[in-house]
Amino acid sequence: GIQVEQSPPDLILQEGANSTLRCNFSDSVNNLQWFHQNPWGQLINLFYIPSGTKQNGRLSATTVATERYSLLYISSSQTTDSGVYFCAGPSGGSYIPTFGRGTSLIVHP
Amino acid sequence: KAGVTQTPRYLIKTRGQQVTLSCSPISGHRSVSWYQQTPGQGLQFLFEYFSETQRNKGNFPGRFSGRQFSNSRSEMNVSTLELGDSALYLCASSYQGGGANVLTFGAGSRLTVL
Repeated sequence: GIQVEQSPPDLILQEGANSTLRCNFSDSVNNLQWFHQNPWGQLINLFYIPSGTKQNGRLSATTVATERYSLLYISSSQTTDSGVYFCAGPSGGSYIPTFGRGTSLIVHP
Repeated sequence: KAGVTQTPRYLIKTRGQQVTLSCSPISGHRSVSWYQQTPGQGLQFLFEYFSETQRNKGNFPGRFSGRQFSNSRSEMNVSTLELGDSALYLCASSYQGGGANVLTFGAGSRLTVL
């Protein structure tokens, strides 16, 4: 099946810093999503981004489908951004997304 | 619009028992997927139901089963619980159309097996 690699696995920031999270896929994907898992375990949709760039406040995402990667940018990070960020996407004719192992982000005040 | 509702949120069982978890999807969503999340294995796909039919299945033993009702609500059952079944069980619903499958997750059911 498809392999999803996320980097870095862990990230520690001071409040106000910017960061870039990366997601690489071993095969072409569609329906790519980014999620944030909060400390209580809830997975929150951030972006549905099969290709191109989208922005939502301090967050933006870019997917380059032809090169099989996606990036999540977090600007002016806040302590509430802490948690684990996952990317996921299915490949081929499947609807079922495969998840990466996540990037664990800690933002210190 | 109500989100995805999972019940119960927390439960403790002992080895050998069985457990049933419930998931109510977003109104209008006909697909419900279940995932198991553990620190060691990450998020692993269990199964997906669409219009009361299991359409996809992950690589889990037969002790894990599920079903979907005509109102799209879904249940999953784990029989003969093992310590390794302790995990966060996440349900996601989606409206599949136009080639898109955008998942929305519930808050999860955290199962502890003693």
